[in-house]
Parts: sequence; structure tokens; C-alpha cells
Amino acid sequence: AQSVTQLDSHVSVSEGTPVLLRCNYSSSYSPSLFWYVQHPNKGLQLLLKYTSAATLVKGINGFEAEFKKSETSFHLTKPSAHMSDAAEYFCVVSSSNDYKLSFGAGTTVTVRA
Amino acid sequence: KAGVTQTPRYLIKTRGQQVTLSCSPISGHRSVSWYQQTPGQGLQFLFEYFSETQRNKGNFPGRFSGRQFSNSRSEMNVSTLELGDSALYLCASSFGRARNEKLFFGSGTQLSVL
Repeated sequence: AQSVTQLDSHVSVSEGTPVLLRCNYSSSYSPSLFWYVQHPNKGLQLLLKYTSAATLVKGINGFEAEFKKSETSFHLTKPSAHMSDAAEYFCVVSSSNDYKLSFGAGTTVTVRA
Repeated sequence: KAGVTQTPRYLIKTRGQQVTLSCSPISGHRSVSWYQQTPGQGLQFLFEYFSETQRNKGNFPGRFSGRQFSNSRSEMNVSTLELGDSALYLCASSFGRARNEKLFFGSGTQLSVL
């Protein structure tokens, strides 16, 4: 069994300040972890993924995430938010034994000018 | 290279009807997966097809079914529609060779059941 918990349903930041989106997961098998972003009326786009290589993963648009096995966490960060980062973000887990994906409930990010 | 194409973009149906949604994957991709997105339940996995075979299935009733054709295009069917089936239905494609591949999503079909 696998599951994902996104700890914040909504995050509001000022432009130019750091963004932190928190994600905890549970998985019976070695997980692959992903962060996807969804802009309004669009499909999801992959930001980054962790697949048991380096624990610090760099993605597109300046985002990065750190896999911490001891804390079962995969938090997403960006040092400086841009207006275009306003969107919904999903943390996703895939276990090594099947092709099912489990999605977190999503975190909506708003960026204040 | 064309992205994942879903048709139609919007659908309005009434309770008890049935509906078919279509998904054309990126050229060369052999895996197509489907997801239901609602404000209350979030994103939920429906099923995944690879080379015309259903490889995995989520926890949805039998009214939800799908298939994949030899050109990798996929269709999803929902029979005996219920009000709760109103949702954004997303499909995604990938090469399908590994469990941790990047998925490419379409923009979805917004289904409204009245």
C-alpha cells in the first residue's frame, strides 16, 4: 500500500521569497517520488522525480526537492518565487511493484506581487 | 512533436447515459493511463494500458472501462452515469518501459453530469 500526504492545502508567498511545499509518503516498497504542477485548465507537468539516485533532486524552473528516507518526506522548494509559479502542485508516489500512482491532495500556491 | 490530445474538451450528459472519452498519446508512447480529478476526491488513478493490455486498475466500479487500440490511442467509457461522475478526466502517456517514467498529460475532458 502507498499513500501521500501534502501537509499544506494552500501556501501564499510574496514574489521573490522562498517557497516550501511539504510532502510525506508511505510505501511498502522502494518508492519513486514525483512533483507535478497544474496550471488552471491545463494538464499536469512534471517538475522533478526521485528514483533512488541522488537524494537532492533538481527540476525545472528552479525547483528542487530532497528525499529523506528517515522522515519519509519529499519536500519541494524554490529559493525565489515568481508570479508564474502560481498553480497547484501535486506530490506523487509510485511503488516499485506496480504501475499505480498515488497523488497527494494538492497544494495551491498563490504569489503576491 | 504533438502532445497528448484528449477529445472532447467538454461534455455535458444526463444521469443514466453513457459516455466515451478519447486520448491520443504522444507518438511512440505505448502506455496510456487515465485519472479522475474532482474537488472532493482529488486525483485518482483509474487504469493503465500498455500495448492494448490493461496493466493496472484503480478502485473504481465496473461502470468505468477502457481499451487501447493497436496505434496506442485509448478510449475510456463510463456507463450509467451518476452525478458524482462529474469530473475532469485526464489521460497521460509514456513509453511504459519503467515504473518511474515521466508522464505527459493531456489537458483533460471536463464531464458534467446533470
